[in-house]
Amino acid sequence: DQQVKQNSPSLSVQEGRISILNCDYTNSMFDYFLWYKKYPAEGPTFLISISSIKDKNEDGRFTVFLNKSAKHLSLHIVPSQPGDSAVYFCAAESHGQNFVFGPGTRLSVLP
Amino acid sequence: DGGITQSPKYLFRKEGQNVTLSCEQNLNHDAMYWYRQDPGQGLRLIYYSQIVNDFQKGDIAEGYSVSREKKESFPLTVTSAQKNPTAFYLCASTPLAGGYQETQYFGPGTRLLVL
Repeated sequence: DQQVKQNSPSLSVQEGRISILNCDYTNSMFDYFLWYKKYPAEGPTFLISISSIKDKNEDGRFTVFLNKSAKHLSLHIVPSQPGDSAVYFCAAESHGQNFVFGPGTRLSVLP
Repeated sequence: DGGITQSPKYLFRKEGQNVTLSCEQNLNHDAMYWYRQDPGQGLRLIYYSQIVNDFQKGDIAEGYSVSREKKESFPLTVTSAQKNPTAFYLCASTPLAGGYQETQYFGPGTRLLVL
């Protein structure tokens, strides 16, 4: 039973447009969420995080939105660049528990 | 230049053979983790260690073993009992034991293939 879901295995976006990656979770105890970016044959790198006391966190071109009532978060990338092409993992955590990762969404930004 | 190193980058295992994947960090982090990544799946936790000489099973520990004799090292052994070992293995660390609301830092990964 997947506690963290990323229902879109892949997403293609034109360069300069907005990329929206979605993540849903089932465990209401999760209170900290992260997005990681992963290139092929490399380890994931941290992108942005959000605590459940917030509904938005912004870092440059990246913004994460959290809707606790819907158990949904999304990552917005504006404007999208070809270098953003990677697999994006959503991860969730609750106190005393380890991270739970989603299956990932492969983003392709087309020039 | 601090970070996490994993070696080798590629590893081939013959049937019935045990193989060990190396993970070293010079970040002075307390906690270390091993994950497995399979196509179309998220990272699944194999083992983790919050402190030297102590470690706990993750969600998929069967067929694997670990040790934590030094703070900076957390090797993973894939034993012959692991029937489907082909995967991409990732080592990670967090600064503090417990790692709550902390970022996990990942190594570059080791791809294990079965001959």
